[in-house]
Amino acid sequence: SQTIHQWPATLVQPVGSPLSLECTVEGTSNPNLYWYRQAAGRGLQLLFYSVGIGQISSEVPQNLSASRPQDRQFILSSKKLLLSDSGFYLCAWSASGAYSNQPQHFGDGTRLSIL
Amino acid sequence: GENVEQHPSTLSVQEGDSAVIKCTYSDSASNYFPWYKQELGKRPQLIIDIRSNVGEKKDQRIAVTLNKTAKHFSLHITETQPEDSAVYFCAARDDKIIFGKGTRLHILP
Repeated sequence: SQTIHQWPATLVQPVGSPLSLECTVEGTSNPNLYWYRQAAGRGLQLLFYSVGIGQISSEVPQNLSASRPQDRQFILSSKKLLLSDSGFYLCAWSASGAYSNQPQHFGDGTRLSIL
Repeated sequence: GENVEQHPSTLSVQEGDSAVIKCTYSDSASNYFPWYKQELGKRPQLIIDIRSNVGEKKDQRIAVTLNKTAKHFSLHITETQPEDSAVYFCAARDDKIIFGKGTRLHILP
């Protein structure tokens, strides 16, 4: 069966520090991968999605970036964090195919607090 | 692009009564409509989904209806229980999933 791992679970970082969040998927090949951010009590904001290695689409302009160095690995990064980057970051995967009508499955999330 | 509107933002229901959450979407090409439940501090989890070739789907106390002509779909929870308290998200998918802003459901004792 497929599983998705996301780490760390919580992270406290000072303003201006770098960020690296990692997500890996097991049990499937060539998944679509996604990064979402959820502010406290708010909805899910799509940040990036990827349909293959090295293919990243950005949904909102920001100081975050994403990379997919391997088929089942998705990394969210920042060179300098802002206070507004605080939130709950969720990685998700879905079956491959640009128009696949399959659900997304979420990781357990990383709660990021910027001080 | 797709836009999904979800109502209400907050819903309080007496235990044992039914709850209904409604969503509308803008892109007629959307063909897949999942619903997610998110408990406090946890990840969203898929609870039911419906594809565009179906008008209604039921799974025990949960049902979803889809009206493609009107571009709206709804989640129905019957005989609500305390563990149904959570935030519920609807979503619509063409090339990628777009989520509604969520409904916080409170089940009152």
